[in-house]
Amino acid sequence: AQTVTQSQPEMSVQEAETVTLSCTYDTSESDYYLFWYKQPPSRQMILVIRQEAYKQQNATENRFSVNFQKAAKSFSLKISDSQLGDAAMYFCAYLFSSYGKLTFGQGTILTVHP
Amino acid sequence: ETGVTQTPRHLVMGMTNKKSLKCEQHLGHNAMYWYKQSAKKPLELMFVYNFKEQTENNSVPSRFSPECPNSSHLFLHLHTLQPEDSALYLCASSQAIGGRQTSGNTIYFGEGSWLTVV
Repeated sequence: AQTVTQSQPEMSVQEAETVTLSCTYDTSESDYYLFWYKQPPSRQMILVIRQEAYKQQNATENRFSVNFQKAAKSFSLKISDSQLGDAAMYFCAYLFSSYGKLTFGQGTILTVHP
Repeated sequence: ETGVTQTPRHLVMGMTNKKSLKCEQHLGHNAMYWYKQSAKKPLELMFVYNFKEQTENNSVPSRFSPECPNSSHLFLHLHTLQPEDSALYLCASSQAIGGRQTSGNTIYFGEGSWLTVV
């Protein structure tokens, strides 16, 4: 069974600084997808960034980038130039496309200090 | 603005009531999902529908009954719930299940329906 682990229950960062959120996963599959979702107090799950496992290049989306280490089964999220609006719960998620089942980690609460 | 709309946003129901949660997606997707988010627990997948056919029932109690009349609509019928069923219920959709598509395997979520069982 696939599992996703986020070992940092809480993280904090100063506004304009950089923060990295960690995620590891376990799978026996070779073709899958990884995601970071953001859940602000409104509780809507918002897609932040997506990575295809067959792509070696790390995904980037504006201030958000990932460090995807397939052999180590690690998928960290780096947020540059942190903004107050980045404060939220962040979830790492794994998808094996054949089944459409998205498996989530436990989440990391990110606090941004002005 | 979300392409996945859930109603109602908040629902309070007694244990003997029958109610339904509704989800509608405006993204032209073919797969729809129900997830449950409880306090202090990871998100749990409940049901998956692909082209209106149920492809996953993640050992969900029968007091939760899903219905997918077409690819754009998904319902969760609730009957004889327990207080521990109180949670945020999230609906989601994606273009398809299976295959390697540029964006087809990304799952988009609605804003959720807060359910309180009293």
